[in-house]
Amino acid sequence: GPKVLQIPSHQIIDMGQMVTLNCDPVSNHLYFYWYKQILGQQMEFLVNFYNGKVMEKSKLFKDQFSVERPDGSYFTLKIQPTALEDSAVYFCASSLVLGGAETLYFGSGTRLTVL
Amino acid sequence: QQQVRQSSQSLTVWEGETAILNCSYENSAFDYFPWYQQFPGEGPALLIAIRSVSDKKEDGRFTIFFNKREKNLSLHIKDSQPGDSATYFCAASASSNTNKVVFGTGTRLQVLP
Repeated sequence: GPKVLQIPSHQIIDMGQMVTLNCDPVSNHLYFYWYKQILGQQMEFLVNFYNGKVMEKSKLFKDQFSVERPDGSYFTLKIQPTALEDSAVYFCASSLVLGGAETLYFGSGTRLTVL
Repeated sequence: QQQVRQSSQSLTVWEGETAILNCSYENSAFDYFPWYQQFPGEGPALLIAIRSVSDKKEDGRFTIFFNKREKNLSLHIKDSQPGDSATYFCAASASSNTNKVVFGTGTRLQVLP
């Protein structure tokens, strides 16, 4: 089936540094999402993105967060500066249409550890 | 505020038994309920889903029973297999807000051989 690739699978950084998480969505998909999962807990919606713009973001999407997809390359989540509470697994997802969960394809996640 | 609740953090059944995973929700606007299956180290994958106009959805060994009045639903896994051992997330979305899917906290299912 369609694959969403996330690079890297694990990232360890010091608090205060910048980190960029990369996502290679399904090739013909138009809508992109980031979710955050703290170990053993639920997936929390962060943001979705379409046509170069953020469509909706949650309260978890702090000012230190930003997303972009320059020229159809990776869809990225940048955190600058990072904080300890940013440690989590971040899942990227993509969908062809804006139409609910049935069209969401998730990557395998990037585990971010902030020291 | 937890919009989608899964009552059990974990569930253990024997191979061949039916596993029943429960879920409830608060928002009456939710009208689409997917269940996601997640194996360790992987992202969630859609398993089966139901719309609020139906009260039952079946796909092989997996069945969703939905009660709109009570705002709850359950996922039944018949003839459970060790390979079904995973975390199952109940999720919900509203047609009026299709940008966002709300996930429950997940139930970790263990099927013992």
